Amino acid sequence: EAQVTQNPRYLITVTGKKLTVTCSQNMNHEYMSWYRQDPGLGLRQIYYSMNVEVTDKGDVPEGYKVSRKEKRNFPLILESPSPNQTSLYFCASSSEQGQETQYFGPGTRLLVL
Amino acid sequence: GIQVEQSPPDLILQEGANSTLRCNFSDSVNNLQWFHQNPWGQLINLFYIPSGTKQNGRLSATTVATERYSLLYISSSQTTDSGVYFCAVLFSGAGSYQLTFGKGTKLSVIP
Repeated sequence: EAQVTQNPRYLITVTGKKLTVTCSQNMNHEYMSWYRQDPGLGLRQIYYSMNVEVTDKGDVPEGYKVSRKEKRNFPLILESPSPNQTSLYFCASSSEQGQETQYFGPGTRLLVL
Repeated sequence: GIQVEQSPPDLILQEGANSTLRCNFSDSVNNLQWFHQNPWGQLINLFYIPSGTKQNGRLSATTVATERYSLLYISSSQTTDSGVYFCAVLFSGAGSYQLTFGKGTKLSVIP
């Protein structure tokens, strides 16, 4: 089954404790992205990757890091989480230079205390 | 960047009613998608529709790229249609890849 998976689905952590949210897709897609969703602000792009070892900033990259060492994986790293990073996070992938459907993961709910 | 506006922001329907959701965007885009976010937070693809018209059961969508808008039609609405409907447009090229979402239309279908 074609899918994008994220782990963990739910996470409660404390300010400053480094965390990683993993994202994996099994569709051999070149394009992968991370988004955060906040009430009243909708979904905003954090980072994207157009292929292995190619990443770039989206609209709200501050406080986040990503890596793309393998085509299927695109982890999101919060080196020193802060309460304003409490949000719902989505990973997505697509192929053909983004000219096709974006497939979204199930989301990760993060609470930073 | 590209601006995406959706209307109406909120919509309450009686079960069985029809509705039209609108998405306006400010510049030429490579593609456009409609999503439904269910009450559990999952984003479900409805349509990939950079232009033209598509239908899937009770849902259909039309995008007029030259006039920079897209419409999502829901007919004979059911309570399971409740949730938030998002329009998202993609601009890609010259090394960039920006997917911009509208703020959504929150639909509540009441029995």
